[in-house]
Amino acid sequence: SQELEQSPQSLIVQEGKNLTINCTSSKTLYGLYWYKQKYGEGLIFLMMLQKGGEEKSHEKITAKLDEKKQQSSLHITASQPSHAGIYLCGAEVTGANNLFFGTGTRLTVIP
Amino acid sequence: DTEVTQTPKHLVMGMTNKKSLKCEQHMGHRAMYWYKQKAKKPPELMFVYSYEKLSINESVPSRFSPECPNSSLLNLHLHALQPEDSALYLCASSQDSPGQLLTDTQYFGPGTRLTVL
Repeated sequence: SQELEQSPQSLIVQEGKNLTINCTSSKTLYGLYWYKQKYGEGLIFLMMLQKGGEEKSHEKITAKLDEKKQQSSLHITASQPSHAGIYLCGAEVTGANNLFFGTGTRLTVIP
Repeated sequence: DTEVTQTPKHLVMGMTNKKSLKCEQHMGHRAMYWYKQKAKKPPELMFVYSYEKLSINESVPSRFSPECPNSSLLNLHLHALQPEDSALYLCASSQDSPGQLLTDTQYFGPGTRLTVL
């Protein structure tokens, strides 16, 4: 069963535009992780959120965790072609000794 | 050194072959992971080793056999695979805390792209 749903599935934006990717869990989250993946390559860790209301930023990427809504959002400000790739959220879900990944969001940034 | 290395990068094998995938890290991490990723799908956890002991096996078929010879190395032995096992196999490592699967960053290797004919 799918534990983490991401939206949108794909996103095409003009360079310089802001964008938001959402990740929603069907179960309580113990921690939420954001990764970026280029096609056919390994995952690059972006951020880890462990507490409700926590917000972290790295360069132009900000992630927030809403524990009550069991949801996390990833926001990119002033997108660049280097931001293009597949963004995956990952989480350990209550009651499951396992790490699940979201369905992924494919981001294309048009120069 | 924050690198996880995987060899080989590509592997083509027949259904009767025996091959092994190798993963190595020198960050002092005590947890290591194998994931399988099919095209356009998210990675799926296969195995977790914690302090060189297998702690999670996600109902993976016995034709996949993991091995952790020491804290820096993780192998995945392959035997009698099926064409549907063709995928990108990712290795990752992280610091480990007893009682929790994830408390820290997971570092991923570049993956081995496996094709089973």
